[in-house]
Amino acid sequence: EVQLVESGGGLVRPGGSLRLTCAASGFTFRNHWMHWVRQAPGEGLVWVSCISDEGTTTYYAESMKGRIAISRDNAKDTLYLQMNSLRAEDTAVYYCVRAVYKYGDGDWFDPWGQGTLVTVSS
Amino acid sequence: DIQMTQSPSSLSASVGDRVTITCRASQSISNRLNWYQQKPGRVPEVLISAAINLQSGVSSRFSGSGSGTEFTLTINSLQPEDYATYYCQQNHISWAFGQGTKVEVK
Repeated sequence: EVQLVESGGGLVRPGGSLRLTCAASGFTFRNHWMHWVRQAPGEGLVWVSCISDEGTTTYYAESMKGRIAISRDNAKDTLYLQMNSLRAEDTAVYYCVRAVYKYGDGDWFDPWGQGTLVTVSS
Repeated sequence: DIQMTQSPSSLSASVGDRVTITCRASQSISNRLNWYQQKPGRVPEVLISAAINLQSGVSSRFSGSGSGTEFTLTINSLQPEDYATYYCQQNHISWAFGQGTKVEVK
């Protein structure tokens, strides 16, 4: 069974840092691009960041660029998201998602982890 | 950045109704458009990829159409389990979601 399990969320003060972790299992992790998507309470989905299969290429949403860093350890089948200088508006559930790619069709997100809640508050 | 706009933001429908949700991109995205369903308290699940391709295990009540800048998700004969929020998402240039369409009980 393909599974993504996030951890590392919690309560952090404004300006603080957190490192999110996503443990993957049930598929060949090193063959897939991986993404982070967030969802503020009662709000919609927002794409955050992604990393290529080999970890050599990364992309970030403008709203978080410069404050976050995505990385992966293919030997451990694990994805990370380092978040710094956190703000109240970063409060959200952060989902780890696997990208499935098909030539000519692009990619889509499947599956999604259960998410980890990050709360930024004083 | 490519902006994705869904309409309506919410709708009320009855079981058995045909429901149509529209997603518009701020520039052409070819067929690089996916649809997701998120039920309350659950994680999103992909329904349709590349505008028209129904994912394995997804009911044939769901269908997608469109290309370029305008896309449609249709639910034929709405079922109780279909009450949810639906998101479109482009992957042509970077990745971006629409704001969502909540399908509620009429």
